[in-house]
Amino acid sequence: AQSVSQHNHHVILSEAASLELGCNYSYGGTVNLFWYVQYPGQHLQLLLKYFSGDPLVKGIKGFEAEFIKSKFSFNLRKPSVQWSDTAEYFCAVVNDYKLSFGAGTTVTVRA
Amino acid sequence: DSGVTQTPKHLITATGQRVTLRCSPRSGDLSVYWYQQSLDQGLQFLIQYYNGEERAKGNILERFSAQQFPDLHSELNLSSLELGDSALYFCASSVVSLTADTQYFGPGTRLTVL
Repeated sequence: AQSVSQHNHHVILSEAASLELGCNYSYGGTVNLFWYVQYPGQHLQLLLKYFSGDPLVKGIKGFEAEFIKSKFSFNLRKPSVQWSDTAEYFCAVVNDYKLSFGAGTTVTVRA
Repeated sequence: DSGVTQTPKHLITATGQRVTLRCSPRSGDLSVYWYQQSLDQGLQFLIQYYNGEERAKGNILERFSAQQFPDLHSELNLSSLELGDSALYFCASSVVSLTADTQYFGPGTRLTVL
């Protein structure tokens, strides 16, 4: 079955640490890739997206993601996290007009 | 604030009942999407409407239906409710499509079925 996999369910780290969240998808063909963030008690917000072109995508709040087509991956990174990055992060893929989400990764940043 | 509004914020009802969730997209957005977020299923795409017409269908049960009205607001109707339908239901909107535009999410309606 086509799916989106996020490798980590819960990540705990300290402020200033680097963050990398894994995302793999199993769709063939052209895909559009997204990372969304959901801060506690808030709605989903778009962090960044990849449609085409440079596979290294820069998003808001210092986040970036790299699309590696050969690995079917779209990993999210941030060099130095802040306490305010505590949130749930969702990878998502558009295929056949439908947006499929990964299970999400809860990131807890300790001050 | 994304500009997408959803009502009500919370809804508590009993099994077997029917409820209607409402979504108003951002001004100018023609597409509306509905999602269900639950602990066991995660975030699931339900259905998309574009300018009043159904555009794409996801994991939407037959007991659920949706429509988009001429003023572009949308309603999601859930009938013969079961305990497992308890979830957070999100609406999102975009100008045209997922592949062309950013999708903006509403705050969600939390449905509790007792």
